[in-house]
Amino acid sequence: EADIYQTPRYLVIGTGKKITLECSQTMGHDKMYWYQQDPGMELHLIHYSYGVNSTEKGDLSSESTVSRIRTEHFPLTLESARPSHTSQYLCASSEYDSQNEQFFGPGTRLTVL
Amino acid sequence: QKEVEQDPGPLSVPEGAIVSLNCTYSNSAFQYFMWYRQYSRKGPELLMYTYSSGNKEDGRFTAQVDKSSKYISLFIRDSQPSDSATYLCAMAMVKAAGNKLTFGGGTRVLVKP
Repeated sequence: EADIYQTPRYLVIGTGKKITLECSQTMGHDKMYWYQQDPGMELHLIHYSYGVNSTEKGDLSSESTVSRIRTEHFPLTLESARPSHTSQYLCASSEYDSQNEQFFGPGTRLTVL
Repeated sequence: QKEVEQDPGPLSVPEGAIVSLNCTYSNSAFQYFMWYRQYSRKGPELLMYTYSSGNKEDGRFTAQVDKSSKYISLFIRDSQPSDSATYLCAMAMVKAAGNKLTFGGGTRVLVKP
C-alpha cells in the first residue's frame, strides 16, 4: 500500500543530543517537505526537496538539516537538540506535476528536556 | 499580520447540524485553495481543492471561494461524530516555488452525538 511513514512517532530527549527524524514514502513522489507544527498553530515549512540531491530551506528558519540521497527517503537531523526545538514535525510528499496535493505522514512529536 | 487567518475554535455542534468554517487571507496572488482535515495525533489529509473562485461540492462537503472578499468557506452537512477533527485551510499561488502552501492555524470541530 502506498504510504508515507515517519519514525519515531514520539521522542523525548535531553538537551545537546543529536537526533534524526526519519521519513519514507512508497508513492514514488519527487517532491518532499518537512513542516513544523506547534499546538493550535499553523504548519510552517522548514525544508523541501524537488528530488534526489535537491534540498531547500523553507519559510521558517530552522537549525535542522535534511538530506535526499534516495527518492523515497528524506531524513531531518538536529545536531544538538534544545528545548526550543520541542514541536511536532510533519513530513509530506507530492507528485512533481501536482500543484498542491500533499500527502502527510503521521508526524513525530519531539520533546527536548 | 498573518497571511491566512482562521478562528481556532473549538466549534461544538450537535450531530446532524451544518458545520461552517472559514478563512480570510491577505495575499491576492493566492489562486489555489484547499481544506485539510487533521485528526488528533495524525497528519493532515486533503479534503477539498478549489482553483480560483466558485463552489465545489463533494458528498457532504462544500467549499466556496470568494476572491473579491479574500474569503473561503467549508460547509459540512449532516455532521457526524467522525467529523470531529481540526480543519486547516491552505493556499498557494499559481507558480509557487516548491509547491509551497500557506496554512491557517486550523479550527477544531467537535460534533456531539
